[in-house]
Amino acid sequence: QQQVKQSPQSLIVQKGGISIINCAYENTAFDYFPWYQQFPGKGPALLIAIRPDVSEKKEGRFTISFNKSAKQFSLHIMDSQPGDSATYFCAASMGGATNKLIFGTGTLLAVQP
Amino acid sequence: NAGVTQTPKFQVLKTGQSMTLQCAQDMNHNSMYWYRQDPGMGLRLIYYSASEGTTDKGEVPNGYNVSRLNKREFSLRLESAAPSQTSVYFCATTQGRVQETQYFGPGTRLLVL
Repeated sequence: QQQVKQSPQSLIVQKGGISIINCAYENTAFDYFPWYQQFPGKGPALLIAIRPDVSEKKEGRFTISFNKSAKQFSLHIMDSQPGDSATYFCAASMGGATNKLIFGTGTLLAVQP
Repeated sequence: NAGVTQTPKFQVLKTGQSMTLQCAQDMNHNSMYWYRQDPGMGLRLIYYSASEGTTDKGEVPNGYNVSRLNKREFSLRLESAAPSQTSVYFCATTQGRVQETQYFGPGTRLLVL
């Protein structure tokens, strides 16, 4: 079974702090690693994504760090804000026309003011 | 543009009853997906349709059937609902190109008693 393991299950961070969520995968055929953000009562939405040919991708306060040899990738949220409070899912895909995603189990982030 | 819409928003069923969850998109996308989201388990793919006229099983297809009615619509049917199918169901779409963003609908919350 292809898996993506995500930790922690929940995370509490003070406003202005750094939130870090980690994911690990097993299948070396995965070639696309997106992160999705989900607010309560809403569907997930793409936050940021990375391909394994780069070790880091930054978009504003959000950064993905990718370690191909360790088969791990992580999401860093700098200067965390209460509005970042949501559930975050990492995912992996082997690409191809089907674009099937294997999701991690999710991390519930609460940023305290 | 509405994007991806799902109906109903919420449904209560008794064990053994049947129902169809509807998904429609106005994004002119080729590929559509059905996921279920359960606490602690992330999102798991039930079925997907890479293009109009084709459907394939995902990770957890047992107890479900799908119909890709046309390019816009992709329905999920529970023939004989079971309490284990209590979940939140999400529909998603992509254009069908490699490593592409999936756009999710708002979800259908289903309770099977």
